[in-house]
Amino acid sequence: SQQGEEDPQALSIQEGENATMNCSYKTSINNLQWYRQNSGRGLVHLILIRSNEREKHSGRLRVTLDTSKKSSSLLITASRAADTASYFCATVTGGTSYGKLTFGQGTILTVHP
Amino acid sequence: NAGVTQTPKFRVLKTGQSMTLLCAQDMNHEYMYWYRQDPGMGLRLIHYSVGEGTTAKGEVPDGYNVSRLKKQNFLLGLESAAPSQTSVYFCASSYRTPLQTGEQFFGPGTRLTVL
Repeated sequence: SQQGEEDPQALSIQEGENATMNCSYKTSINNLQWYRQNSGRGLVHLILIRSNEREKHSGRLRVTLDTSKKSSSLLITASRAADTASYFCATVTGGTSYGKLTFGQGTILTVHP
Repeated sequence: NAGVTQTPKFRVLKTGQSMTLLCAQDMNHEYMYWYRQDPGMGLRLIHYSVGEGTTAKGEVPDGYNVSRLKKQNFLLGLESAAPSQTSVYFCASSYRTPLQTGEQFFGPGTRLTVL
């Protein structure tokens, strides 16, 4: 089963609206990362939040982490058509010396102009 | 600065054929990874390398082999391709490990179809 599961699977909004994507996971994590993937392209790292952090901001992005609920959310404010992409959360757990990065199934975001 | 590049971009194989996917990075990263992406499955780690001359198995290593003879290159080989290996393959590299909060840089992907 997937360590990270994302909700919703697809999200459709109008330009200017906010978009919120959620990620839930099963085991304790070291850190959690969010990536974006434009259609037909590779993934691009957006933001990382450590397990001892509760909130981080980067431009129009806000990430929260609730380790008690084993969940994270990514908020994109004032969305633009260029934000249309798939968004993946990736959890980092221990178990090896380098750590294990596990991706969720992703949320497909469509922003209509 | 090209980042992470992958060759080829597309390939069609017949069952039983072999091929090698090449990944190259010019960022002097120590760590490199091969993933496959299938619809509804997210990305799954095939093999990874923590430095030149090293390789290790990931989540789905069966049917694949890898080599890291040079720090900047990471090769993924399919010795006898099967239809179940039809997928999009991504290479990634990072300066630090995931536990060291290292972000990964991804290549553009190789779309492989096995008939």
